[in-house]
Amino acid sequence: GNSVTQMEGPVTLSEEAFLTINCTYTATGYPSLFWYVQYPGEGLQLLLKATKADDKGSNKGFEATYRKETTSFHLEKGSVQVSDSAVYFCARAFSGGYNKLIFGAGTRLAVHP
Amino acid sequence: EAGVAQSPRYKIIEKRQSVAFWCNPISGHATLYWYQQILGQGPKLLIQFQNNGVVDDSQLPKDRFSAERLKGVDSTLKIQPAKLEDSAVYLCATSNGRGPYNEQFFGPGTRLTVL
Repeated sequence: GNSVTQMEGPVTLSEEAFLTINCTYTATGYPSLFWYVQYPGEGLQLLLKATKADDKGSNKGFEATYRKETTSFHLEKGSVQVSDSAVYFCARAFSGGYNKLIFGAGTRLAVHP
Repeated sequence: EAGVAQSPRYKIIEKRQSVAFWCNPISGHATLYWYQQILGQGPKLLIQFQNNGVVDDSQLPKDRFSAERLKGVDSTLKIQPAKLEDSAVYLCATSNGRGPYNEQFFGPGTRLTVL
């Protein structure tokens, strides 16, 4: 099948804390994997991506590694800021082409000073 | 470069009424997607266009939803008649290719409330 499961939120952290948001996917082939972010009042935007096993996507201090053996793509950041408060969506490309994305339910992150 | 534009941003209607949403893609982007995002869930693809042709509408409730992309640029999504369960944010996204690595750029969405 084609599905994405991510940890439920909300996740509440203090500034400079370490962040992990778990994401796992069902594997049909080797799909490209993505993290999208939705800041308050804005549209979704691509945060990072990985297109094959063992790839590490990174952007704005966030990282995620494509783990084929555990079918996971966990999002991490070493030191979060208040400005990172947003909803984070894990997504995989649909097996079958045409760039269709399957999204997880989203995880809301709230960072407090 | 201008982003994906959508209108209206908000719409409130009563059940059984009809409603239409409009999307203007980033210039030159051939692929256009409409997603439905119900509160607390991730976006779900309703329909995908490549230029003005439909390539995937498998999850579009065709008895009440319709979409078109005349001339391969702007697109409209219509619901007629609306049901309570159609309350959601409708997102338009576009990309400049159809491969699995092409980034999708999202508009701000239209929040629909059906009373």
